[in-house]
Amino acid sequence: GENVEQHPSTLSVQEGDSAVIKCTYSDSASNYFPWYKQELGKGPQLIIDIRSNVGEKKDQRIAVTLNKTAKHFSLHITETQPEDSAVYFCAAIRETSYDKVIFGPGTSLSVIP
Amino acid sequence: EAQVTQNPRYLITVTGKKLTVTCSQNMNHEYMSWYRQDPGLGLRQIYYSMNVEVTDKGDVPEGYKVSRKEKRNFPLILESPSPNQTSLYFCASSSVGAGEQYFGPGTRLTVT
Repeated sequence: GENVEQHPSTLSVQEGDSAVIKCTYSDSASNYFPWYKQELGKGPQLIIDIRSNVGEKKDQRIAVTLNKTAKHFSLHITETQPEDSAVYFCAAIRETSYDKVIFGPGTSLSVIP
Repeated sequence: EAQVTQNPRYLITVTGKKLTVTCSQNMNHEYMSWYRQDPGLGLRQIYYSMNVEVTDKGDVPEGYKVSRKEKRNFPLILESPSPNQTSLYFCASSSVGAGEQYFGPGTRLTVT
């Protein structure tokens, strides 16, 4: 079946450094790739997404890159701040009538002040 | 305020006692979905609904039922809960397909 792998499972960085989280998906028909941030005790919240007709997308300190040939995509956070500490999930979705969602297992990011 | 609400937030029950977790959204979203979250496994989709009266299985549907009789509500039913259904459950909705999903606050279920 479809699968999304996510690495690393935990990541610690110093405040101000960059953080990179990588995901690989198996379903070549996937064409929508969102990233969600989950703070402690809360539901996940969308922070950025990318579609397969785009290679890179940026939103202030956050960027996502997509390599459809290799079937992987990455989240980049620059100038990390303590409030970036959270669990991050990637997902791969077919945006057709078939909208089943496969999430990666998550990455716990800790930003050390 | 645009939101997804779930009730109850916490529930402790015993094996075999039927329960329902309610989910409601006030954003007129067509797509709704249920997930369970377990340590090390991330979020796994249980069921989803593209619109009223249209539901489909996600990755882990066994032991669960859903219904979508109204656009705003998408209850999750456990007919005969078992301990392996102890988990944190999230309901989510989005306006178009499984695009930007808005998640509820979660329901922590313990089955003893």
